[in-house]
Amino acid sequence: DTAVSQTPKYLVTQMGNDKSIKCEQNLGHDTMYWYKQDSKKFLKIMFSYNNKELIINETVPNRFSPKSPDKAHLNLHINSLELGDSAVYFCASRGTSGYEQFFGPGTRLTVL
Amino acid sequence: SQELEQSPQSLIVQEGKNLTINCTSSKTLYGLYWYKQKYGEGLIFLMMLQKGGEEKSHEKITAKLDEKKQQSSLHITASQPSHAGIYLCGADIRPGNTPLVFGKGTRLSVIA
Repeated sequence: DTAVSQTPKYLVTQMGNDKSIKCEQNLGHDTMYWYKQDSKKFLKIMFSYNNKELIINETVPNRFSPKSPDKAHLNLHINSLELGDSAVYFCASRGTSGYEQFFGPGTRLTVL
Repeated sequence: SQELEQSPQSLIVQEGKNLTINCTSSKTLYGLYWYKQKYGEGLIFLMMLQKGGEEKSHEKITAKLDEKKQQSSLHITASQPSHAGIYLCGADIRPGNTPLVFGKGTRLSVIA
């Protein structure tokens, strides 16, 4: 069984479009994250949710809006996509501090 | 400035050789995590270190944590082509269930 799943795996779209990425974890974890990995493979936190509440929102444009309908899901909606949004987006979850974060397989977003 | 510095950025070794990757933090470490990423794929958890002096091994990969130096090293013995990929160190630099900060990764190539 997949611990953290993301859909879609690949997303190719035009500038200006709105798109969503979905994430689900079946580990019963309270905390979920969205990370962005740029073309140089640098992985950086975007958002952190704990029990459906936004805990951390790093310096991310307002065009990015996370939504957590329940503890097991954390979706990422992006408005007015720009070329610079092209990256791989990873969802992750964690049960308790001091334990590993489980990462999803990533969504490769390409904005044309 | 970067909170986690990884070195080297890239490494090319001949099959059978040993190698070491370093990860140094500018902040106090509450936990240090090593992940491996193959091209186009997600992050595979390797090891987690929490206590100073801690050392863990998995198959031919050993990781150590030097708490005083705020540094960890990942050592691969008798490298194989299957070890090729990007190695990322991630760290808890704040107490509690916070997102990890990551180094920029080390790209390892193993030549047969």
